[in-house]
Amino acid sequence: GDSVTQMEGPVTLSEEAFLTINCTYTATGYPSLFWYVQYPGEGLQLLLKATKADDKGSNKGFEATYRKETTSFHLEKGSVQVSDSAVYFCALSDAGGTSYGKLTFGQGTILTVHP
Amino acid sequence: DAMVIQNPRYQVTQFGKPVTLSCSQTLNHNVMYWYQQKSSQAPKLLFHYYDKDFNNEADTPDNFQSRRPNTSFCFLDIRSPGLGDAAMYLCATSRDGQKNEKLFFGSGTQLSVL
Repeated sequence: GDSVTQMEGPVTLSEEAFLTINCTYTATGYPSLFWYVQYPGEGLQLLLKATKADDKGSNKGFEATYRKETTSFHLEKGSVQVSDSAVYFCALSDAGGTSYGKLTFGQGTILTVHP
Repeated sequence: DAMVIQNPRYQVTQFGKPVTLSCSQTLNHNVMYWYQQKSSQAPKLLFHYYDKDFNNEADTPDNFQSRRPNTSFCFLDIRSPGLGDAAMYLCATSRDGQKNEKLFFGSGTQLSVL
């Protein structure tokens, strides 16, 4: 079945450091790929997405490129801020039949950014 | 402004005592999902509805049931909670369940079983 693997956390960075969170996936079809973020005490919210190979999703300075050849969707940001501290989830959707857009998640990576 | 609302935020129940978690949405979306998220683990889909069409995941225990009486509301019933059912329960919606659509999540209900 479908699966998503994220790099182990937690990740601790200083403000303005470069961020990479690795994500690889296994899917039988042609999935859409997502990064969701969960701030403390809140629900998950979409950060960015890409729906086909070589697409780049971007939002709030974060970027990720859909790499079909390496089955990867790594999250990057050039300069993190304290406000980026959160849990980041990589996910895929391989809807078909009665799947109705259901997401398969990675285990999440906790990011802490210090001033 | 909240679009997917889960109540209560925290729920404590006793071992074996039935409990119901609720979710409502103001988005008029067709699909509603229930995920279980245990500490430091990936959210795991329990089941989802497309309108009134119920879809159970193969590995969802029989102890978990769901009801969707109308478009706006969806309930998660745990018939006989065990200690292993303590988790965060997340409700989510999507407009039509297409694979490129984003899901809208509620803030979750943290369930404790004593």
